[in-house]
Amino acid sequence: DIQVTQSPSSLSASVGDRVTITCRASQSISSYLNWYQQKPGKAPNLLIYAASSLQSGVPSRFSGSGSGTDFTLTISSLQPEDFATYFCQQSYSTLITFGQGTRLEIK
Amino acid sequence: QVQLVQSGAEVKKPGASVKVSCKASGYTFTGYYMHWVRQAPGQGLEWMGWINPNSGGTNYAQKFQGRVTMTRDTSISTVYMELSRLRSDDTAVYHCARGSDYGGNGDWYFDLWGRGTLVTVSS
Repeated sequence: DIQVTQSPSSLSASVGDRVTITCRASQSISSYLNWYQQKPGKAPNLLIYAASSLQSGVPSRFSGSGSGTDFTLTISSLQPEDFATYFCQQSYSTLITFGQGTRLEIK
Repeated sequence: QVQLVQSGAEVKKPGASVKVSCKASGYTFTGYYMHWVRQAPGQGLEWMGWINPNSGGTNYAQKFQGRVTMTRDTSISTVYMELSRLRSDDTAVYHCARGSDYGGNGDWYFDLWGRGTLVTVSS
Protein backbone atom coordinates (compact mmCIF):
# COMPACT_ATOMS: atom_id res chain seq x y z
CA ASP A 1 0.00 0.00 0.00
CA ILE A 2 1.13 3.55 -0.68
CA GLN A 3 1.23 5.61 2.49
CA VAL A 4 0.75 9.35 2.36
CA THR A 5 2.03 11.35 5.31
CA GLN A 6 0.94 14.91 5.91
CA SER A 7 2.77 17.52 7.90
CA PRO A 8 2.17 19.26 10.10
CA SER A 9 -0.75 17.47 11.76
CA SER A 10 -1.94 20.82 13.10
CA LEU A 11 -1.09 24.40 12.42
CA SER A 12 -2.01 27.75 13.95
CA ALA A 13 -2.04 30.79 11.71
CA SER A 14 -3.57 34.23 11.37
CA VAL A 15 -5.79 35.77 8.74
CA GLY A 16 -3.58 37.00 5.92
CA ASP A 17 -0.80 34.49 6.55
CA ARG A 18 0.72 32.34 3.85
CA VAL A 19 0.41 28.68 4.79
CA THR A 20 1.97 25.55 3.33
CA ILE A 21 0.94 21.97 4.03
CA THR A 22 3.06 19.06 2.88
CA CYS A 23 2.16 15.55 1.77
CA ARG A 24 4.81 12.88 1.24
CA ALA A 25 4.12 9.55 -0.46
CA SER A 26 5.93 6.35 0.43
CA GLN A 27 6.80 5.84 -3.23
CA SER A 28 6.56 7.86 -6.40
CA ILE A 29 2.98 8.63 -7.38
CA SER A 30 3.74 10.89 -10.35
CA SER A 31 1.16 13.70 -10.11
CA TYR A 32 -1.72 11.57 -8.85
CA LEU A 33 -2.31 13.63 -5.75
CA ASN A 34 -5.43 15.56 -4.76
CA TRP A 35 -6.26 17.96 -1.93
CA TYR A 36 -9.50 18.41 0.00
CA GLN A 37 -10.82 20.80 2.62
CA GLN A 38 -13.21 19.57 5.28
CA LYS A 39 -15.14 21.63 7.82
CA PRO A 40 -16.72 20.09 10.93
CA GLY A 41 -19.82 18.07 10.18
CA LYS A 42 -19.45 18.56 6.43
CA ALA A 43 -18.28 16.42 3.53
CA PRO A 44 -14.81 17.04 2.09
CA ASN A 45 -14.55 19.57 -0.72
CA LEU A 46 -12.11 19.11 -3.61
CA LEU A 47 -9.57 21.92 -3.92
CA ILE A 48 -6.78 20.64 -6.16
CA TYR A 49 -6.51 17.61 -8.44
CA ALA A 50 -3.57 16.16 -10.35
CA ALA A 51 -1.22 17.90 -7.91
CA SER A 52 -1.67 21.40 -9.30
CA SER A 53 -5.00 21.80 -11.11
CA LEU A 54 -7.42 24.11 -9.35
CA GLN A 55 -10.94 22.73 -9.13
CA SER A 56 -13.60 24.95 -10.65
CA GLY A 57 -15.01 27.42 -8.16
CA VAL A 58 -12.10 27.19 -5.73
CA PRO A 59 -10.46 30.55 -4.91
CA SER A 60 -7.14 31.23 -6.58
CA ARG A 61 -5.40 31.70 -3.23
CA PHE A 62 -5.21 27.90 -3.12
CA SER A 63 -2.46 26.28 -5.14
CA GLY A 64 -0.76 22.91 -5.32
CA SER A 65 2.62 21.75 -6.49
CA GLY A 66 4.91 18.75 -6.55
CA SER A 67 5.41 15.42 -8.24
CA GLY A 68 6.94 12.09 -7.40
CA THR A 69 6.84 11.80 -3.62
CA ASP A 70 6.64 15.38 -2.32
CA PHE A 71 3.67 17.69 -2.67
CA THR A 72 2.52 20.96 -1.16
CA LEU A 73 -0.75 22.81 -0.75
CA THR A 74 -0.32 26.55 -0.34
CA ILE A 75 -2.86 29.12 0.78
CA SER A 76 -1.45 32.48 -0.21
CA SER A 77 -3.43 34.68 2.16
CA LEU A 78 -5.57 32.96 4.77
CA GLN A 79 -9.20 33.98 4.98
CA PRO A 80 -11.49 33.30 7.95
CA GLU A 81 -13.36 30.62 6.01
CA ASP A 82 -10.14 28.66 5.39
CA PHE A 83 -9.83 27.40 8.94
CA ALA A 84 -10.60 23.72 8.47
CA THR A 85 -8.93 20.33 8.10
CA TYR A 86 -7.06 19.52 4.90
CA PHE A 87 -6.47 16.04 3.46
CA CYS A 88 -4.35 14.81 0.60
CA GLN A 89 -5.29 11.69 -1.37
CA GLN A 90 -3.28 9.56 -3.79
CA SER A 91 -4.82 7.67 -6.69
CA TYR A 92 -1.67 6.21 -8.22
CA SER A 93 -2.41 2.78 -6.85
CA THR A 94 -5.67 0.86 -7.10
CA LEU A 95 -5.90 1.14 -3.31
CA ILE A 96 -6.69 4.82 -2.81
CA THR A 97 -5.28 6.28 0.39
CA PHE A 98 -5.59 9.56 2.23
CA GLY A 99 -3.25 11.49 4.45
CA GLN A 100 -4.17 11.73 8.10
CA GLY A 101 -5.16 15.38 7.82
CA THR A 102 -3.84 18.79 8.82
CA ARG A 103 -5.98 20.85 11.15
CA LEU A 104 -5.59 24.55 10.47
CA GLU A 105 -6.58 26.68 13.44
CA ILE A 106 -6.83 30.37 14.14
CA LYS A 107 -3.90 31.81 16.08
CA GLN B 1 -29.01 20.78 -8.82
CA VAL B 2 -26.00 18.49 -8.89
CA GLN B 3 -26.03 16.57 -5.62
CA LEU B 4 -25.79 13.25 -3.84
CA VAL B 5 -28.41 12.61 -1.17
CA GLN B 6 -27.76 9.85 1.30
CA SER B 7 -30.05 7.88 3.58
CA GLY B 8 -30.38 8.63 7.27
CA ALA B 9 -28.40 7.54 10.28
CA GLU B 10 -28.46 3.91 11.38
CA VAL B 11 -27.84 2.12 14.65
CA LYS B 12 -26.92 -1.54 14.39
CA LYS B 13 -25.84 -4.33 16.69
CA PRO B 14 -22.53 -6.16 16.20
CA GLY B 15 -22.87 -8.90 13.61
CA ALA B 16 -25.72 -7.18 11.77
CA SER B 17 -25.65 -5.63 8.30
CA VAL B 18 -26.35 -2.09 7.14
CA LYS B 19 -27.34 -0.80 3.71
CA VAL B 20 -26.75 2.86 2.90
CA SER B 21 -28.21 4.53 -0.18
CA CYS B 22 -26.94 7.44 -2.23
CA LYS B 23 -29.24 9.11 -4.79
CA ALA B 24 -27.64 11.16 -7.54
CA SER B 25 -29.30 14.06 -9.31
CA GLY B 26 -28.37 16.82 -11.71
CA TYR B 27 -25.94 14.84 -13.84
CA THR B 28 -25.78 11.67 -15.94
CA PHE B 29 -25.82 8.93 -13.34
CA THR B 30 -24.17 6.32 -15.54
CA GLY B 31 -21.41 8.68 -16.61
CA TYR B 32 -19.39 8.60 -13.40
CA TYR B 33 -18.14 5.89 -11.08
CA MET B 34 -19.32 6.14 -7.49
CA HIS B 35 -16.97 5.57 -4.59
CA TRP B 36 -17.55 5.02 -0.90
CA VAL B 37 -15.32 6.60 1.73
CA ARG B 38 -15.76 6.30 5.46
CA GLN B 39 -14.56 8.38 8.37
CA ALA B 40 -14.49 7.07 11.91
CA PRO B 41 -15.14 9.64 14.65
CA GLY B 42 -12.23 12.07 14.87
CA GLN B 43 -10.27 10.06 12.32
CA GLY B 44 -9.16 10.36 8.73
CA LEU B 45 -10.71 9.17 5.51
CA GLU B 46 -10.72 5.53 4.39
CA TRP B 47 -11.57 4.46 0.84
CA MET B 48 -13.81 1.38 0.56
CA GLY B 49 -14.27 0.84 -3.16
CA TRP B 50 -16.21 1.87 -6.23
CA ILE B 51 -19.08 0.84 -8.43
CA ASN B 52 -19.52 1.58 -12.11
CA PRO B 53 -23.21 2.59 -12.33
CA ASN B 54 -23.24 1.83 -16.04
CA SER B 55 -22.11 -1.81 -15.89
CA GLY B 56 -22.55 -2.61 -12.21
CA GLY B 57 -18.90 -3.59 -12.02
CA THR B 58 -17.22 -3.12 -8.66
CA ASN B 59 -13.78 -2.87 -7.10
CA TYR B 60 -13.44 -3.18 -3.35
CA ALA B 61 -10.52 -2.40 -1.07
CA GLN B 62 -9.02 -5.66 0.11
CA LYS B 63 -9.78 -4.74 3.72
CA PHE B 64 -13.51 -4.93 2.99
CA GLN B 65 -13.55 -7.85 0.55
CA GLY B 66 -16.19 -10.37 1.59
CA ARG B 67 -18.05 -7.88 3.81
CA VAL B 68 -19.02 -5.08 1.43
CA THR B 69 -21.40 -5.13 -1.51
CA MET B 70 -22.03 -2.15 -3.76
CA THR B 71 -25.02 -2.18 -6.07
CA ARG B 72 -27.01 0.29 -8.13
CA ASP B 73 -30.49 0.90 -9.47
CA THR B 74 -30.24 2.94 -12.63
CA SER B 75 -34.02 3.51 -12.76
CA ILE B 76 -33.78 5.76 -9.71
CA SER B 77 -30.13 6.90 -10.04
CA THR B 78 -29.21 5.36 -6.74
CA VAL B 79 -26.23 3.38 -5.51
CA TYR B 80 -26.13 1.28 -2.37
CA MET B 81 -23.38 0.13 -0.04
CA GLU B 82 -24.07 -2.83 2.20
CA LEU B 83 -21.62 -3.76 4.94
CA SER B 84 -22.13 -7.03 6.77
CA ARG B 85 -20.83 -8.61 9.98
CA LEU B 86 -20.60 -5.20 11.57
CA ARG B 87 -18.12 -4.56 14.38
CA SER B 88 -17.79 -1.65 16.76
CA ASP B 89 -14.90 -0.28 14.74
CA ASP B 90 -17.20 0.08 11.75
CA THR B 91 -18.82 3.00 13.54
CA ALA B 92 -18.23 5.85 11.12
CA VAL B 93 -19.74 8.35 8.73
CA TYR B 94 -20.06 6.73 5.32
CA HIS B 95 -19.86 9.05 2.30
CA CYS B 96 -20.59 8.36 -1.32
CA ALA B 97 -18.37 10.37 -3.62
CA ARG B 98 -18.48 10.84 -7.37
CA GLY B 99 -15.24 9.84 -9.03
CA SER B 100 -13.63 11.60 -11.94
CA ASP B 101 -10.35 10.53 -13.44
CA TYR B 102 -8.05 12.96 -15.19
CA GLY B 103 -6.01 10.39 -17.06
CA GLY B 104 -8.69 7.93 -18.00
CA ASN B 105 -6.78 5.26 -16.07
CA GLY B 106 -8.60 5.32 -12.78
CA ASP B 107 -6.67 8.33 -11.53
CA TRP B 108 -9.51 9.16 -9.25
CA TYR B 109 -10.44 12.40 -7.58
CA PHE B 110 -13.75 13.05 -5.87
CA ASP B 111 -15.52 16.17 -7.04
CA LEU B 112 -18.95 15.64 -5.50
CA TRP B 113 -19.70 14.16 -2.10
CA GLY B 114 -22.76 13.12 -0.19
CA ARG B 115 -23.18 14.63 3.27
CA GLY B 116 -22.58 11.26 4.86
CA THR B 117 -24.54 8.64 6.79
CA LEU B 118 -23.60 7.94 10.39
CA VAL B 119 -23.59 4.24 11.14
CA THR B 120 -23.26 3.40 14.81
CA VAL B 121 -22.48 -0.16 15.82
CA SER B 122 -23.26 -0.81 19.45
CA SER B 123 -24.65 -3.59 21.57
